[in-house]
Amino acid sequence: DGGITQSPKYLFRKEGQNVTLSCEQNLNHDAMYWYRQDPGQGLRLIYYSQIVNDFQKGDIAEGYSVSREKKESFPLTVTSAQKNPTAFYLCASSTTGGTEAFFGQGTRLTVV
Amino acid sequence: GQQLNQSPQSMFIQEGEDVSMNCTSSSIFNTWLWYKQDPGEGPVLLIALYKAGELTSNGRLTAQFGITRKDSFLNISASIPSDVGIYFCAGPDSGNTPLVFGKGTRLSVIA
Repeated sequence: DGGITQSPKYLFRKEGQNVTLSCEQNLNHDAMYWYRQDPGQGLRLIYYSQIVNDFQKGDIAEGYSVSREKKESFPLTVTSAQKNPTAFYLCASSTTGGTEAFFGQGTRLTVV
Repeated sequence: GQQLNQSPQSMFIQEGEDVSMNCTSSSIFNTWLWYKQDPGEGPVLLIALYKAGELTSNGRLTAQFGITRKDSFLNISASIPSDVGIYFCAGPDSGNTPLVFGKGTRLSVIA
């Protein structure tokens, strides 16, 4: 089945630790995205990549880092510099120039 | 960046009722998308609109691309309990850029 897979579904980390969220797609999409969702806030763009080995900051990139070494994979690292990391993180992908983005099931990160 | 304004923020309706929600922007959009998010899941694309004035249906859902290109509407007819969730409008800020999302309309259906 073609799709986009995020893992893990739930993640708990201690404050001050970096944590990496996985996102893999087998849709052969060039573009991939990371969004953050907080209650009542909608989806806010963290980073996006339109091609392998290239990525751009979104609206709330501070405290996050990404890499795009393979077309299928776009991992997101939440660093200790992110002041309020507890949130629901969503990964998406689309064709280049395509507007219809397809989402993974999300990772709920809780930092204690 | 661009923001989309959705209204209402939340709705409580009786099963069987029709629902209307809308989304507006301060600038022109060339594409409007409507997504639904079930609790704890990622959003799923419901309807995509590409032309001003376009009216598109997907089962009991109907969406319209406003003539001014600054708004879009989603209607759900004869609501059922599984319609519960958050409905988001979205569109590309400009050209080939990532989608911007509204804050969502949370729908609750009372059986």
